[in-house]
Amino acid sequence: EAQVTQNPRYLITVTGKKLTVTCSQNMNHEYMSWYRQDPGLGLRQIYYSMNVEVTDKGDVPEGYKVSRKEKRNFPLILESPSPNQTSLYFCASMVAQSSYEQYFGPGTRLTVT
Amino acid sequence: GDSVTQMEGPVTLSEEAFLTINCTYTATGYPSLFWYVQYPGEGLQLLLKATKADDKGSNKGFEATYRKETTSFHLEKGSVQVSDSAVYFCALSGLTDSNYQLIWGAGTKLIIKP
Repeated sequence: EAQVTQNPRYLITVTGKKLTVTCSQNMNHEYMSWYRQDPGLGLRQIYYSMNVEVTDKGDVPEGYKVSRKEKRNFPLILESPSPNQTSLYFCASMVAQSSYEQYFGPGTRLTVT
Repeated sequence: GDSVTQMEGPVTLSEEAFLTINCTYTATGYPSLFWYVQYPGEGLQLLLKATKADDKGSNKGFEATYRKETTSFHLEKGSVQVSDSAVYFCALSGLTDSNYQLIWGAGTKLIIKP
C-alpha cells in the first residue's frame, strides 16, 4: 500500500529535550516536506527537500532541522524544543513535476511542556 | 506572496442541506488548487483538485470549479450527510524557486446535524 508514515503519532516532552519525528514514504517520491498545523493558521511549511541531500527552508524553519540521506526518509529534528513548538506536524511527499498532489502522513501531535 | 482565504467556521447545517464553502486565492502564475479534508482525529486527505482554469474537480458528491476571473475555488455539495462533518482546507500549489509548497487557508469546520 502506497503511504507516508510518521512516528511517533503522539509525543509529550519537556523543554530542551532533543527529539526526532520520523517520516518515511514508499512511493519513490523525490519531493518531501514538513508542515505544522496550528488553529486558525492552517498549515505552514517548515522544510522541504527536492531530492536526496537537497533540503531548504520553508516559511517557519526556526528551531527545526531536517536531513535527507535516503530518498524514502525525511526526519524532522527538534534540537531544543520549546513550548511554542507544540503543534500538529504533517509530513508530505510528491512526485516532482507532477500535478502537485501531495500525499500526507497521519500526523504527529507534539506537546512541549 | 501567494495566499488563500476561506470562510470562517464553524459552519453548521442540517442533514441534506446544500453546502458552499468559499475559497479565494491570490497567486502569481497559474497554481493548482485543492480541497483537503480532515476528519476528527485523522490526517489530511485530498478531496478534489483542479490544475487549470475552468477545470472542475469532483469527488464523493463534492465539486469545485477553478475560476480564474474571480480567483475562486468554492466547494459545494448538494446534500450533506452527518459523515461529512470535518475540517475542510483550501490550498494552492505551484513551483516557486524549486519548492512545490502548498499554501493553505485557515480551514473551515463543518458540523452536520441529523
